[in-house]
Amino acid sequence: EPEVTQTPSHQVTQMGQEVILRCVPISNHLYFYWYRQILGQKVEFLVSFYNNEISEKSEIFDDQFSVERPDGSNFTLKIRSTKLEDSAMYFCASSGQISGNTIYFGEGSWLTVV
Amino acid sequence: GIQVEQSPPDLILQEGANSTLRCNFSDSVNNLQWFHQNPWGQLINLFYIPSGTKQNGRLSATTVATERYSLLYISSSQTTDSGVYFCAADTGTASKLTFGTGTRLQVTL
Repeated sequence: EPEVTQTPSHQVTQMGQEVILRCVPISNHLYFYWYRQILGQKVEFLVSFYNNEISEKSEIFDDQFSVERPDGSNFTLKIRSTKLEDSAMYFCASSGQISGNTIYFGEGSWLTVV
Repeated sequence: GIQVEQSPPDLILQEGANSTLRCNFSDSVNNLQWFHQNPWGQLINLFYIPSGTKQNGRLSATTVATERYSLLYISSSQTTDSGVYFCAADTGTASKLTFGTGTRLQVTL
């Protein structure tokens, strides 16, 4: 079964540094997402992306965050000037349609900011 | 936005027992999914079920959209079923899933 792949699986970074999390969505999917889960809490929506632009974003997704699809396969989340509270599991997801379709999640990238 | 509530928050079962997990949502949905988060943090897709009933092996799910709830049934539970079960729903057109707080399941020998 096709899957969403994410790298790195775990990253430790110092506060104030920039981090890029990478994702390869399922190949024929058109809609891409990032979600975040702080340890022990529920999964939260960050941003959706379609046709090379952001479709929707949550209040969490402020100027510190950006997304990009630099080529035909990768989808990245950049976090600038990381803070301790950015420590979380970040999930990439993709779907074939904008609505009424299964959203498939990657295995997650665990970010620890020290 | 939509509210998604899950019950019970915690559940301990002996291996072989059956269980029912519930998800209530506050608005009409066009996407409802059940996930299993394993001890390594991975989110495993179980069902896409905005309405109706589906079965996959020992797991089945039913969503009654008119009454705004969904149920996940686990039969003959195994220790590998342990983890957190999330339901997530979306009402709009951007597939912005709102997750519930999860049911933490522990299956013991």
